[in-house]
This record gives sequence, C-alpha cells and structure tokens, in this order.
Amino acid sequence: EVQLLESGGALVQPGGSLRLSCAASGFSFTYHAMNWFRQAPGKGLEWVSSLGGGGISRYFADSVKGRFTVSRDTSMNTHYLQMNYLRPEDTAVYYCARLDDSWCRGSCNFDYWGRGTLVTVSS
Amino acid sequence: QSALTQPPSASGSPGQSVTISCTGTSSDVGLYNYVSWYQQPPGKAPKLVIYDVNKRPSGVPDRFSGSKSGNTASLTVSGLQAEDEADYYCTSYAGGNKVVFGGGTKVTVL
Repeated sequence: EVQLLESGGALVQPGGSLRLSCAASGFSFTYHAMNWFRQAPGKGLEWVSSLGGGGISRYFADSVKGRFTVSRDTSMNTHYLQMNYLRPEDTAVYYCARLDDSWCRGSCNFDYWGRGTLVTVSS
Repeated sequence: QSALTQPPSASGSPGQSVTISCTGTSSDVGLYNYVSWYQQPPGKAPKLVIYDVNKRPSGVPDRFSGSKSGNTASLTVSGLQAEDEADYYCTSYAGGNKVVFGGGTKVTVL
C-alpha cells in the first residue's frame, strides 16, 4: 500500500527556516517524481515544487524560488522540503504528493497524497 | 489568479447531478487531452477522481465522469451523495513539464 507521511510543520518566525519531511512507502521511491503542494487557510491548492524521479531535475514555483530547496534520502525513502527566509504568506498546510510517472510528460497525475503538515509563519 | 477558471461554488440535492466547468486556453485544456480532477473533502487531502479527461482511477465510483469541449473541461457528479461534498480542482498539462491548476469549486449537497 502506498503511503506518504509528512512531518516537520511548526510555528516559525518570519525569516526563519524549517525542513519538512515526507516519508514514503509501498512504491519505488527512485522512480516517481515527488511534489510539494500547499494550501493557505481558506485558499486553493498551490503547487510548490517537484523533484524528478531521477533525483536531479528540480522545479519550483516563482513564489518560493531561491528560498526553498528539495532533496531526498533514498536509503530512508524520504523526501525533504527545505524552507528558508520564511514569510507570513508561506503559512499553509503543506502536502507531499506522488506523480504517477518519473516526470511530467503529458498525463501528469498526482495519484497519492499525504495528510499534510501545518506551517505557521508568525512573530 | 489561477490559470484555469472554475466557478467558486456549485450545489445540488441528493440524487441530482452537478457539473463543474474548468476553462483554460488553446495552450492547455484545448491542446491536450490531459485534464485531471481532484476531490478534497473538508480537512482532508486531495484525491484523484478523473484523469486524461474522462478516465477514472480504480475505486472511484462511476458517478464521476469527465468531458471536454474546446478549451473547457467538465466534471459531472451524478446521483449526488452527502460524501461528495468537497472542493474540486481541475488541472491540465500545459507542455514542458508544466501543469496548471484551477482555483477550485466548492460543491455543496443541499
């Protein structure tokens, strides 16, 4: 059974840093592209970043480019989102989601999602 | 502002049908048959319910159906049930590793 479990959400001050983790199980971690989404309170979904199945290609939304990075530990089957220079507008529930392919080339579907972890940026 | 346009809300009584539209452009919805729909019940994670315009993942009831005409895709939920009350998001492939999203539609079961 495919499972994704996010952790690491917390209350952090503006300008601070936080690292989110997404522990994956039940599938080939080194094949599927992994993604982060976020949802601010009362708002819609926003794609944040993607890490290709090969672990090399990285993509970021303009809103986080230069501040957020992604990485993975294949021995731990864990995907990470490192968030630096956090702003109040980064406050959201962050979801980890699996792409049903190694990279997006047409039928790009996020077929499994975690339950999310809450990040609050406030002084 | 989202790349794809969805109505903010839709509603129907139990047993009725509700259809949600998702309007894009000739560079995304109109160009590719790669529209997906996600259901997000209150307080829960999104779930894929339609992909490639009109295909259902395993386990999704056949009450959910999708279609597309020109630059507009649609999701229809037939035989509405209380458990269908959720936010629904559409996405479309837009070329070059890019997926664009709609702003979401809140479906209320009256």
